[in-house]
Amino acid sequence: GQSLEQPSEVTAVEGAIVQINCTYQTSGFYGLSWYQQHDGGAPTFLSYNALDGLEETGRFSSFLSRSDSYGYLLLQELQMKDSASYFCAVRDQGFQKLVFGTGTRLLVSP
Amino acid sequence: DVKVTQSSRYLVKRTGEKVFLECVQDMDHENMFWYRQDPGLGLRLIYFSYDVKMKEKGDIPEGYSVSREKKERFSLILESASTNQTSMYLCASSLRGSIGEQYFGPGTRLTVT
Repeated sequence: GQSLEQPSEVTAVEGAIVQINCTYQTSGFYGLSWYQQHDGGAPTFLSYNALDGLEETGRFSSFLSRSDSYGYLLLQELQMKDSASYFCAVRDQGFQKLVFGTGTRLLVSP
Repeated sequence: DVKVTQSSRYLVKRTGEKVFLECVQDMDHENMFWYRQDPGLGLRLIYFSYDVKMKEKGDIPEGYSVSREKKERFSLILESASTNQTSMYLCASSLRGSIGEQYFGPGTRLTVT
C-alpha cells in the first residue's frame, strides 16, 4: 500500500518563505504532485516531480528526493491569498492513479 | 483552459435513493476520476476510467458504481444512498500519460438524510 505524511498545519507571515514537507511510502514510485485548494474551492494542480531535484514555477518550487522518499513545496514571498490547503500526491508505479496525503493547511497572517 | 463541470453544486437526497453525479470535461482527456473528500481524510479515490467503457476500482469503491459511455462524460452512481456517503464529491480528468496533473471540477456537496 501507500502512505503519505505531511504536517496538518503551518503558519507564516506575509512576505516570508514556508516549506511544506511530504514523506511517502509506496511499493513503487512514479512521481510526486502538489495541489492547492482554497476553502470551498476545487484542488488546482501546482507541480509534478518525477526526477530528483528542484523545479521552480514563479513563487512556488517543488523538490523531490527519491532516495529519501521525500519532497517539499516551497512558497516564497508569501501573500494572503496563499492561505489554503496543500496536498501532496504520489503516482504509484504501474497504477493509473494518485494517492493523496491528508493535506497541510497554510495560514498566512499580515 | 481545461474545464471540468459537475452537474450539481449541492444535492440533498434521502437514504435509499439512487443518486447520479455527472461530470463532463472539454479537453479530450482520456483519464477521468471520482474522489470523495472528507475532513481530515484528504481525497480518496472511488473509481477511475482510462478509456470509454473502461473502469477501475479505486481505494473505496464499495457502495458506488460508474459509467463512461462517452469520452467526455463520467458518471458516479450511488445505488442506494446511505448517510455515510454524505461528502464532497470531486471529479477530475487528465491526459493519458499525465496522471500527476489532474484537473478538478468544482465538486458536489452531497447530503444524505
